[in-house]
Order: sequence, then C-alpha cells, then structure tokens
Amino acid sequence: GAVVSQHPSRVICKSGTSVKIECRSLDFQATTMFWYRQFPKKSLMLMATSNEGSKATYEQGVEKDKFLINHASLTLSTLTVTSAHPEDSSFYICSARAHYEQYFGPGTRLTVT
Amino acid sequence: AQSVTQLDSQVPVFEEAPVELRCNYSSSVSVYLFWYVQYPNQGLQLLLKYLSGSTLVKGINGFEAEFNKSQTSFHLRKPSVHISDTAEYFCAVSGPMEYGNKLVFGAGTILRVKS
Repeated sequence: GAVVSQHPSRVICKSGTSVKIECRSLDFQATTMFWYRQFPKKSLMLMATSNEGSKATYEQGVEKDKFLINHASLTLSTLTVTSAHPEDSSFYICSARAHYEQYFGPGTRLTVT
Repeated sequence: AQSVTQLDSQVPVFEEAPVELRCNYSSSVSVYLFWYVQYPNQGLQLLLKYLSGSTLVKGINGFEAEFNKSQTSFHLRKPSVHISDTAEYFCAVSGPMEYGNKLVFGAGTILRVKS
C-alpha cells in the first residue's frame, strides 16, 4: 500500500529557531502533497498544497514566510517553521495524493519552548 | 466550497454494541467522501471512501458507510464494536480534481468503547 513517512516524529526547539519537517512518499510518486496542522482536540486545518517543482499554495491566514514549503522531488516535501514561537507548537501532518486519495504521514509533534 | 458537520463530538458505547457516527456535508459540486481514523499521536488512516457507484461502502475493520445524496449524509456504522475501535474518527469531503481535490474535514468524533 501507499506509505508516507514524516521525520522527525517529535521535535523540541527553542523560541526563535527554525525547524524542518520532512514528508516522504515511500513507494509512490506524489506530484501533490498537503500540509495540515492539528490543534489539541481539534480537526485538521489545511495549511498549504505543495506541488512538485512549483511554489506552494497557501490557505488564507497562513503566513507563507513563516511556514516555508519546498517540494523538490516527487517523493519529498519539506515544511520549515521559521523563527518558531510557542504558539507554533502543534501536531503537523502531511499527506501525499495518489489519484483521488490522500495518504497521511504519522505526524510530527512540534514543541517550542 | 465544501463543509462537513459531524454531529457528535463524543460517542460512548459498550463493547459488542452497534455504533453509528453521523456526518453531513454541503457542497455545490459533486463530492468524494471519506472516513478516517486517528489513534492518539498518530496520523490518519483511511477507513473507507465513496467516489461513485454503490452508495453502500464497506471499509476496513468491519466499518461501512452509506452515501445518501438527498440527505447529504455519509454516516459510518459498525454492527459490533471492539475496545480497539476506541479512537477519533474524521469525516472528510473533497471536490473533483479540477477543484484541487482538497480535503475538508469535520471536527471529529471520539468513539469510546467501554467494557
């Protein structure tokens, strides 16, 4: 089946530093990947759509300069949280699209101290 | 634009009892419908999907859902639940590919199975 991995699974960083999260489709190529943010006891909020070889499309209200997305290959998309602050602490989940389905990664728990 | 309403935030049920998790959607275009399950601190796993064809869809772990276009619903059911079904369940809708195929999620329903 289609498998998506994320790395790291957990990260703790200090306020003001940047953190990079990787999302990989392991056994299929994905021209489109999505990045979601999930707050505690809340649903998933789509942050951006990442297209291989082009700029990401951000949802309204998401700061593109703060959440940098790069989709350099058909199997890898990265999300960099720049100058992280405690309010950026959250669970970040990526997904990769294959046909009409999205396959989700296991998520990354980011804690900013 | 699409939206999804999951009517129950939590559903407690005893082991081996049947369960129904409700989902209603709104959309001005044709939709694809999905149910996902999320265990604590994990990503989402697809339970089942409706793309077209038969309105009764069977998924993994004994779950099924029925697409009702007139009532704009896609309720999830299981005839007999297990303790291991305790998790959060998300209903989601997406439009056709030309609309970006983005998923819009409901708020989630926590299923608590009690022994």
